[in-house]
Amino acid sequence: EAQVTQNPRYLITVTGKKLTVTCSQNMNHEYMSWYRQDPGLGLRQIYYSMNVEVTDKGDVPEGYKVSRKEKRNFPLILESPSPNQTSLYFCASAPPAKPYEQYFGPGTRLTVT
Amino acid sequence: EDKVVQSPLSLVVHEGDTVTLNCSYEVTNFRSLLWYKQEKKAPTFLFMLTSSGIEKKSGRLSSILDKKELFSILNITATQTGDSAVYLCAVVRSGTYKYIFGTGTRLKVLA
Repeated sequence: EAQVTQNPRYLITVTGKKLTVTCSQNMNHEYMSWYRQDPGLGLRQIYYSMNVEVTDKGDVPEGYKVSRKEKRNFPLILESPSPNQTSLYFCASAPPAKPYEQYFGPGTRLTVT
Repeated sequence: EDKVVQSPLSLVVHEGDTVTLNCSYEVTNFRSLLWYKQEKKAPTFLFMLTSSGIEKKSGRLSSILDKKELFSILNITATQTGDSAVYLCAVVRSGTYKYIFGTGTRLKVLA
C-alpha cells in the first residue's frame, strides 16, 4: 500500500531531551516536507526537501533540523525541544510529476513538558 | 507579509445544501493555490489551481481561482454528512515549494 508513515504517533517528552520523528514513504517521491499544525494557526511548513541531500527552510524552521540521506526517509530532529514545540506534526511527500499533490502522513502528536 | 485567509471559520449546514468556501491571499510571487480536505487527521489533496477563471471539478466539488482579485472559492453541491471536515487552502510561491496555509474552514453537515 502506498503510504507515508510517521513514528512515533504520540510522544510526551521533557524540555531539552533530543528527539527524532521519523518519516518514510514507499512511493519513490522526490519531494518531502514537514509541517506543524496548531489551533488557530493552521499548517505551517517547517522544512522541505526536493531530493536526496537537498533541503530548504519553510516558514518556521527555528528549533528543528532535517536530513535527507535517502529518498524514502526524511526525519525531523528536535535537538533541544521546548514547550512551544508542542504541536501536531505532519510529514508529506509528492511525486516528481505532480509536486503539489502532497500525500500526508497520519501525524505525530508531540507534547513537550 | 504573505498570508492566506479563509472564511467562514466554520459552517453548519444540512444535507443537500450547497456551500461556498472562500480563500483570499496576499502572496508575493504567486504560483498556485491548492485545496485540501482534512477529516480526522491527515489532509488529502482536492484541487490545484494555477490559471484564473478555469474551474476544476471533481464530482460535487468544484473550485475556481480569480488571480486579479486574489481569491478562490470551493463549492460543494448537494452536501452529505461525509463532507464534514476542515477545508484547507494553501498557496505556493513561484520558484519554490514553500506552502502558506490558511487556518481552514470547519464544515459540519447535519443529516
